[in-house]
Formats: sequence, C-alpha cells, structure tokens
Amino acid sequence: AQKVTQAQTEISVVEKEDVTLDCVYETRDTTYYLFWYKQPPSGELVFLIRRNSFDEQNEISGRYSWNFQKSTSSFNFTITASQVVDSAVYFCALRETNSGYALNFGKGTSLLVTP
Amino acid sequence: DAGVIQSPRHEVTEMGQEVTLRCKPISGHDYLFWYRQTMMRGLELLIYFNNNVPIDDSGMPEDRFSAKMPNASFSTLKIQPSEPRDSAVYFCASSLHPGTNTEAFFGQGTRLTVV
Repeated sequence: AQKVTQAQTEISVVEKEDVTLDCVYETRDTTYYLFWYKQPPSGELVFLIRRNSFDEQNEISGRYSWNFQKSTSSFNFTITASQVVDSAVYFCALRETNSGYALNFGKGTSLLVTP
Repeated sequence: DAGVIQSPRHEVTEMGQEVTLRCKPISGHDYLFWYRQTMMRGLELLIYFNNNVPIDDSGMPEDRFSAKMPNASFSTLKIQPSEPRDSAVYFCASSLHPGTNTEAFFGQGTRLTVV
C-alpha cells in the first residue's frame, strides 16, 4: 500500500505565483519522520526539510514553507513567488521507526514554472 | 565534505553483461542505502547497510543483483547478467542512524541503460 500520496502529478504555474504541493501520509508509528526532496532536471535528489512526528511547528525558509498537520496526516509544501529555477520534481517521503529505515517516497509532483 | 559520490554517472551496456555501480558515502555516516528510480515504480529501496553489514535486502529484485560494502567508505551494486528492464537511475544515499532526527543525503545517481 502506498504510504505517501502526492495526488498532484503535474503542476504548471507562471512565475511569481504561489504554489502548494500536497502530501498525505499513512503510518501507525507514533514516531516517524517526514521529508521533502527536490529533483531538478539535472537528476540529483536534494534534501529540503525534515520533520519529526513530535514537532508540528510550521517552518519557513525563504520562499519555502511547510505545513505539518498530524490531524489530517498531511505535510504540505508551499513555494511563495515561484521562480523558473523552482521547476523540478518534488518528493515527499516518510521514514517510520518501527518498520525498517527505508524512506517511503511518494510518486512526486512535477512543478513547471514558466516565465 | 564532498557529499555522496557515485560512479559512473551514466552507463550503457548490452544485455547479458555485468554492471557494477560504485558509491562512496559521506565520511562518518554509518548507514548506506541503495535506491532505484523508475517511471513505473518510482523510488524504491533495494538494500541498506549498517556499519558495512547488510541489514535489509528485501528490495533486491532478484539474484542477479548483489551489493557489497567492503569498508566504511565504499559500496558496490552489481547486476549480473543485466537485462533491459534493469534500466533505471540508481541512487546511493548515506546517513547517520535513521532512528534519530537525521536525513539521508543522496548521490547524483547512476543512469543505467541496458540495450
């Protein structure tokens, strides 16, 4: 069963628009970790953020912000004032502590930002 | 630190040939992971090591795949014989203990094409 669902396969926005990438996860663990990774066209996987299950504080880093809500099992990612360089595939991932140490990745959301 | 280093970046081989992918983890990281990325299956864990010892190889697709970690700074993933369906991007990642508040860092990947 898919543990991480990224319902948006592709999103296209015009530069300077705000965009939110959705991530819904499923776990029975009480301790778990959530991540976002970025995969630009060059192909590497770049770590963006980590959140543990006990820290529901939202985080802002420049134009990026993350909203973690345990009540809805969601960990959404918002890019404010998007730029062309934000074009990439974004992956949400879950790591559980009671079922091995694999990162369970969602299928990814491909974001295209056009000028 | 130079990050996780993988080689080669690209590999094209003929069906039936042996392929060896290489990975140098970040110094001090005692966990090493091999992931495979395909369009159909997304990112999936193949195997991971702790202190050079394979811990979980349940993701290795079949006996044609093998992985070793002879020391803390080097790991290989071997496919023998290779088949066209093995074509994918193979990522190596390393981290500190995944049960703690840490993230995995990924290499740039090896794009394998089996013709």
